[in-house]
Amino acid sequence: EPEVTQTPSHQVTQMGQEVILRCVPISNHLYFYWYRQILGQKVEFLVSFYNNEISEKSEIFDDQFSVERPDGSNFTLKIRSTKLEDSAMYFCASSSRGGIYNEQFFGPGTRLTVL
Amino acid sequence: AQKITQTQPGMFVQEKEAVTLDCTYDTSDPSYGLFWYKQPSSGEMIFLIYQGSYDQQNATEGRYSLNFQKARKSANLVISASQLGDSAMYFCAMRGTGSARQLTFGSGTQLTVLP
Repeated sequence: EPEVTQTPSHQVTQMGQEVILRCVPISNHLYFYWYRQILGQKVEFLVSFYNNEISEKSEIFDDQFSVERPDGSNFTLKIRSTKLEDSAMYFCASSSRGGIYNEQFFGPGTRLTVL
Repeated sequence: AQKITQTQPGMFVQEKEAVTLDCTYDTSDPSYGLFWYKQPSSGEMIFLIYQGSYDQQNATEGRYSLNFQKARKSANLVISASQLGDSAMYFCAMRGTGSARQLTFGSGTQLTVLP
């Protein structure tokens, strides 16, 4: 069964460093998302991406964040200068269509720890 | 704006018994989708079941069923014949119309199945 994959599973970085989180969505999916979950809290939407551009972003997704689909398979989230409060689990998700009835399939997550 | 409320931070159930996890929602969208995800201790998000706002019948998926009461704006998850492997965090989420295709999550319910 096709699945969303994410690398790395755990990333430790120093405050102020840049990190890139990588995702490979399900191959025939067209809509891509990033969510984050701070430890013990709810899952929060960061950004959605369709047709090679951002379609929606939350207030969390400020200028420190960017997303890219560098090739036909990868979808990346870059944090330019990490802060302590960026420590969280980051989930990538994809869906085949953007309709409200279409489930999003999540990857296993990348746990980011900022020291 | 959409809001999901899960009022049970933790629930216990005896193995083989049924359990209901509560979820209420608020939205001004005429059409919306409601979803349940399971998050085991390993961290991944597993899609369980969804209900469309115009669906006449309650959704079912194996041991999972969704008790959808539109007038009350509730979408409770029922797990029948609980198993030890059902112990996990459960998140209710919704998705509305318009340009926003992201999921809005509740705060989750930690379910523990007792042997």
